[in-house]
Amino acid sequence: EAGVAQSPRYKIIEKRQSVAFWCNPISGHATLYWYQQILGQGPKLLIQFQNNGVVDDSQLPKDRFSAERLKGVDSTLKIQPAKLEDSAVYLCASSTPRQRHIQYFGAGTRLSVL
Amino acid sequence: ELKVEQNPLFLSMQEGKNYTIYCNYSTTSDRLYWYRQDPGKSLESLFVLLSNGAVKQEGRLMASLDTKARLSTLHITAAVHDLSATYFCAVGTEYGNKLVFGAGTILRVKS
Repeated sequence: EAGVAQSPRYKIIEKRQSVAFWCNPISGHATLYWYQQILGQGPKLLIQFQNNGVVDDSQLPKDRFSAERLKGVDSTLKIQPAKLEDSAVYLCASSTPRQRHIQYFGAGTRLSVL
Repeated sequence: ELKVEQNPLFLSMQEGKNYTIYCNYSTTSDRLYWYRQDPGKSLESLFVLLSNGAVKQEGRLMASLDTKARLSTLHITAAVHDLSATYFCAVGTEYGNKLVFGAGTILRVKS
């Protein structure tokens, strides 16, 4: 079974530029999550999708972050414009109730904002 | 708001020694997960604890859950260098499948 795929692995941009991250969850997993992990901290949930609907986006900075999951499979997370404090690893995860809601994580995208 | 606290945040151990990592959480939950993260890598699921008194063991690691005390422990027995990593606990909330993560415990096992 293929795992959660994310791209790119690394991205370096200047502040005020825009950036997008892509995630392909494990096949059959209806729930998809985007997390932000700042160095030295635990992951913080940004947004959670159930199929193509948003379940929770309470911690998503909506003035600059957006996410979509068209067709309920792949998802993209966008930052526009980026700030220095957005430097972090962005993790995508997916889960299914058939596996006790264990969240399976992708390798992440490391973003550096200069 | 659910808060999750882990301690210690950093743990340096000698090989062969035993130690315990603690995970306290602030509101009722009946789902707790432990993850491992190696440097520069993603999170790997270790254990899922779904009921009061649940105990899971894998190799030198054993996890337990006390929902009444809102406490989970990850016990390390006879540590080996390969266990060096960051360990996170994550607590499930009542709303959807949202998890709130602790800050992580950095474990270094010295040979």
